[in-house]
Amino acid sequence: QVHLQESGPGLVKPSETLSLTCTVSGGSASSYFWNWIRQPPGKGLEWIGHIYYSGSTKYNPSLKSRVSIAVDTSKSQFSLKLTSVTAADTAVYYCAAYSGSSADYWGQGTLVTVSS
Amino acid sequence: QSVLTQPPSVSAAPGQKVTVSCSGSSPNIGSNYVSWYQQLPGTAPKLLIYDNNKRPSGIPDRFSGSKSGTSATLGITGLQTGDEADYYCGTWDSSLSAELFGTGTKVTVL
Repeated sequence: QVHLQESGPGLVKPSETLSLTCTVSGGSASSYFWNWIRQPPGKGLEWIGHIYYSGSTKYNPSLKSRVSIAVDTSKSQFSLKLTSVTAADTAVYYCAAYSGSSADYWGQGTLVTVSS
Repeated sequence: QSVLTQPPSVSAAPGQKVTVSCSGSSPNIGSNYVSWYQQLPGTAPKLLIYDNNKRPSGIPDRFSGSKSGTSATLGITGLQTGDEADYYCGTWDSSLSAELFGTGTKVTVL
């Protein structure tokens, strides 16, 4: 059983960088693709991107210019950075583990509000 | 941005059956496995169906999945009040090189 927990600031100012960390327990780093997914209030799910333990990444084309995902296997963590945020980036951010084609495990989610 | 279309809502009485459709295209549903997720109010999504029609351990057989061409369907039989939730389909798009989620469907038990 894999457990994921998101952490990071709940409030970010416009034009600044959103930074979140996902701490993983109970799973092997090489068995999963580590993903970030977000959900604006009252709206649907949007995939942000993923990273494999080797460091290879893929990003949502609509966010690619602003997104960076990194992994630290020594700490069992992976992270998200989203630059130049606006109010449209206000959302619940989830980290999730894909073992194949599906998100087998999800974190509880963390709400990030972009506001001055 | 989603190109996976779901009906906004479906409803049925307790004990009845509902189906939720997910319509895509060749590069996504037509070429890759489909998953389904249940999101109860205020909680994170939970995997219901993977690889088109497989259930993870602990998911009752009241939930089923199927795929035909560029569309997929989630079925829920013996509807219960605890099934009231938002349901999302998901799949990889080989053209976009991105994971896509459906627009989401709210299931209501009358």
